[in-house]
Order: sequence, then structure tokens, then C-alpha cells
Amino acid sequence: DAGITQSPRHKVTETGTPVTLRCHQTENHRYMYWYRQDPGHGLRLIHYSYGVKDTDKGEVSDGYSVSRSKTEDFLLTLESATSSQTSVYFCATDEGTDTQYFGPGTRLTVL
Amino acid sequence: KNEVEQSPQNLTAQEGEFITINCSYSVGISALHWLQQHPGGGIVSLFMLSSGKKKHGRLIATINIQEKHSSLHITASHPRDSAVYICAVSSRDDKIIFGKGTRLHILP
Repeated sequence: DAGITQSPRHKVTETGTPVTLRCHQTENHRYMYWYRQDPGHGLRLIHYSYGVKDTDKGEVSDGYSVSRSKTEDFLLTLESATSSQTSVYFCATDEGTDTQYFGPGTRLTVL
Repeated sequence: KNEVEQSPQNLTAQEGEFITINCSYSVGISALHWLQQHPGGGIVSLFMLSSGKKKHGRLIATINIQEKHSSLHITASHPRDSAVYICAVSSRDDKIIFGKGTRLHILP
């Protein structure tokens, strides 16, 4: 257990509102990732970070932005939420050994 | 075609049965991962392998690099093994690609 927490764990919001999800880790892992999980799809990478202030886009980055101002925190922001962003969001970390440790997930519903 | 394919998609078995879940991939990889997602949603890494075979308790993972195929076996299955098992590969261009998962249900 890499000490990864996500907040909030559940959120319901309305279309057009901004939403920020937080991932916090206590293991000092360099790499952090945001994924979304939807029925009929495998986990899909949204954005990832390879260090403080170093981030890059993943496979499904449109409509999302991220920030990493501290090693332990990786924020995912939906600037203007849409119903297609209803999903379960997972954060993961990696200490560079290629094994990822996952957070508990955040269930986001956009009405 | 998905780059990582798992079979079966769903599997129901009786307690005690030997379980096999398969994963085929179409890209060059540096490693293959097996993950377990519990009914509550949490995801844990079970194995990472790049060749041969690994064993942990009742779980065994094998990989055949030439055939681009991996299997996850569970011996003496138990209802607590009920979960979604996910295969993922680390591709040579540093992407991680996930399969859609196999939902396993072990009946008591």
C-alpha cells in the first residue's frame, strides 16, 4: 500500500461547472498518473507527471488539465464538466520500477 | 483491434476449480502486469513480468514473449478470489495499455 488517497471519493456536479480532484501520496514516488475507467473500456490515461511541474498528456486528455506543485499532490481539473466525463477516476503512482500503486478511486457524476 | 485482449470477458466457476485467464497483446513490450480490482473498486498489482513465470500463493502468472501471450492461473479458487482481473502492458514507447478486464465469480 503506497499511501495514496483521493478526494473527494464521490461527487455529483452539473454540466458546465469546474471540478478538481485531488490525489495525495505519502511515498515520495516520482511518477503520478490520472486514469478514467468506463464500462467497455480498459483504464485510459488522462495525464501523467514525471516530477514537480512536469506533466504530459495521455490518451484522453481533452477537457482535462493537471497540476503538480508538490511531489505528494497531483490535481486533475475539469474546467467545465460535461456528461461524457462521468466516470470513475483513479490516481496511481510509480516509484520508477514500473509497478503502479492505485488510489481508491473517485466516482464523478456530471448531470 | 485492441492492443491488449483478454479472454474470457466473464467467468463463473465453482470453489476449488483451477482458473485460467488469458491475455494477448500486439505491441512490443518491456513488461506485462496483472492487476486485481476488488468489487469495492480498489486496484492492486499482482504481478509484473517480462519473461517466464511468477508465483505468489495460489496465483501463477506466465508469459510467452514469442507468442505475445500471458496467462494468469488461480489454483484452488475461493469466493474471495471473485474480482476483475486486468492485464496491462508497458509498451516499448513507454505507454501503459490496459485490457478491458476479466470478471471472475467463484461460487461457494
